Amino acid sequence: DTAVSQTPKYLVTQMGNDKSIKCEQNLGHDTMYWYKQDSKKFLKIMFSYNNKELIINETVPNRFSPKSPDKAHLNLHINSLELGDSAVYFCASSRDRSYTFGSGTRLTVV
Amino acid sequence: DAKTTQPTSMDCAEGRAANLPCNHSTISGNEYVYWYRQIHSQGPQYIIHGLKNNETNEMASLIITEDRKSSTLILPHATLRDTAVYYCIVVTDSWGKLQFGAGTQVVVTP
Repeated sequence: DTAVSQTPKYLVTQMGNDKSIKCEQNLGHDTMYWYKQDSKKFLKIMFSYNNKELIINETVPNRFSPKSPDKAHLNLHINSLELGDSAVYFCASSRDRSYTFGSGTRLTVV
Repeated sequence: DAKTTQPTSMDCAEGRAANLPCNHSTISGNEYVYWYRQIHSQGPQYIIHGLKNNETNEMASLIITEDRKSSTLILPHATLRDTAVYYCIVVTDSWGKLQFGAGTQVVVTP
């Protein structure tokens, strides 16, 4: 069983479109995250939710809107996609400082 | 969170021990040292973490100096599959936000 699963694995879309990436964890963790890894390979935290409550928002444009319907899910919706949004997006979850990452969603905006 | 400094890259011969240094001279008493690695385009993988004492698990050993200003990750018998970027991260707050730096690119050669 995959602990942290993201869908889709690959996403190619045109500028200006709206898209969503889904994340689910079956570890019973309380906290979930979205990270972005750009072409320079730096991993940057975007958001963190704890028990469905937003606790970290790292100056991400408001075109990015995370939603956590329950503590096992953290989805990322992106409006009006731009070329600079092209990156690999990683979902992660944690509990008591134990972190698990998903395998990533490669988003390409053309 | 305290900042970490790691070498940009290092090579290691297959079967030998790989010793990866990390400086975290501004670490404070309640901050943990974590090590993760990222194998090409995969999600970061947890390796080990510690606070004060040295730690060992099935993957690696973590040696933390007495003043806690630096640490060393030891991969006892490096294999080709250990080729990856290794990240040393200091974590403070209760929500456990992981801030990734540039890491060390480790290449294990036959």
